[in-house]
Amino acid sequence: ETGVTQTPRHLVMGMTNKKSLKCEQHLGHNAMYWYKQSAKKPLELMFVYNFKEQTENNSVPSRFSPECPNSSHLFLHLHTLQPEDSALYLCASSPQARANTGELFFGEGSRLTVL
Amino acid sequence: DAKTTQPPSMDCAEGRAANLPCNHSTISGNEYVYWYRQIHSQGPQYIIHGLKNNETNEMASLIITEDRKSSTLILPHATLRDTAVYYCIVRVMEYSTLTFGKGTMLLVSP
Repeated sequence: ETGVTQTPRHLVMGMTNKKSLKCEQHLGHNAMYWYKQSAKKPLELMFVYNFKEQTENNSVPSRFSPECPNSSHLFLHLHTLQPEDSALYLCASSPQARANTGELFFGEGSRLTVL
Repeated sequence: DAKTTQPPSMDCAEGRAANLPCNHSTISGNEYVYWYRQIHSQGPQYIIHGLKNNETNEMASLIITEDRKSSTLILPHATLRDTAVYYCIVRVMEYSTLTFGKGTMLLVSP
């Protein structure tokens, strides 16, 4: 138990569906991250939020829309995805995004399959 | 951030020490060395980090060479639950992001 909870753990969606991934952290951290892990590829950073403000967008297509209503919650809204977007989506948190120890706390991920 | 080079896979017998190497020959003076691991179908887990001194915690030891161009993560008594992909990352402390490579797949066998 890392203190970072992701739901759902598994999601299957069609290309025309709209769905959302949710992440919640109970660690009192102020920075939250979305990473994507495709099969046989390294983790790719998608977004960084620090004190609810987006500080990094790693050239992610607009069909992925993040939302950070407060420092404890992070969402990833999904719309008109492609089959190649099928991957493990990982949420992480840290005390803050700058000048931190580099220790990220990851959730267990949401396994997304796009049909 | 400096790039790292790790062997794609390693084997270790249960109960023996696992020594995972990492090359980071272009590391800068202000870059730290981090180790994470990822057990199958789980999120990555922080293990340890260091700048130039050797470090030890309850999970592992980190040995950094004097020229800082390479390091070794040591799991002193590997168990089957240590089977995972181990990532070596170098990062400037002030930067927010960690860039993961392909890591080393460590297989611990009975």
